[in-house]
Amino acid sequence: DAKTTQPTSMDCAEGRAANLPCNHSTISGNEYVYWYRQIHSQGPQYIIHGLKNNETNEMASLIITEDRKSSTLILPHATLRDTAVYYCIVRVGTYKYIFGTGTRLKVLA
Amino acid sequence: NAGVTQTPKFQVLKTGQSMTLQCAQDMNHEYMSWYRQDPGMGLRLIHYSVGAGITDQGEVPNGYNVSRSTTEDFPLRLLSAAPSQTSVYFCASSTPGHTDTQYFGPGTRLTVL
Repeated sequence: DAKTTQPTSMDCAEGRAANLPCNHSTISGNEYVYWYRQIHSQGPQYIIHGLKNNETNEMASLIITEDRKSSTLILPHATLRDTAVYYCIVRVGTYKYIFGTGTRLKVLA
Repeated sequence: NAGVTQTPKFQVLKTGQSMTLQCAQDMNHEYMSWYRQDPGMGLRLIHYSVGAGITDQGEVPNGYNVSRSTTEDFPLRLLSAAPSQTSVYFCASSTPGHTDTQYFGPGTRLTVL
């Protein structure tokens, strides 16, 4: 099964872009990359996902390298409410998600 | 829609006791899953279901049973609680397809003494 590697923690100034990297060097061709975040101890919240192409939605952008071995989640204008643990996850098959330990993002005022 | 609901929010058990964690969703999702999250760790899949009457094991199924008699409900049973099962338990649901966005419940914090 593919696994992901993320930095343990990051800081970002409020209003600046937060760039969260993820390494998934063993990913297979049909495995999607998902990003979720967890605020305090609440249930994780979906942010974005992708397979090969870069993706953008109202919350964030996802940049996936051409070889698919890594990706970056971009929060374009981080706010204090974006302080959370961000998980980069590989979906194996239709329903099996493999979570890592995530990146604890702290947005500073 | 209430989304995914879980009860209870908190529970304390003694070693050897049994209990059922409840999970319900009102979004008519086919897929439902149970995860556990230990302190400082990510979520690990316990059991999942792809529809009523169909369940399967995830990464850490030992000590837990599940059944899915309706689309809405997916209870998780601890047969004989052990201190190693102290954790926060999350239930999630989703619909099949390439999007497969999972919606998570608020969690149940379980302590086994």
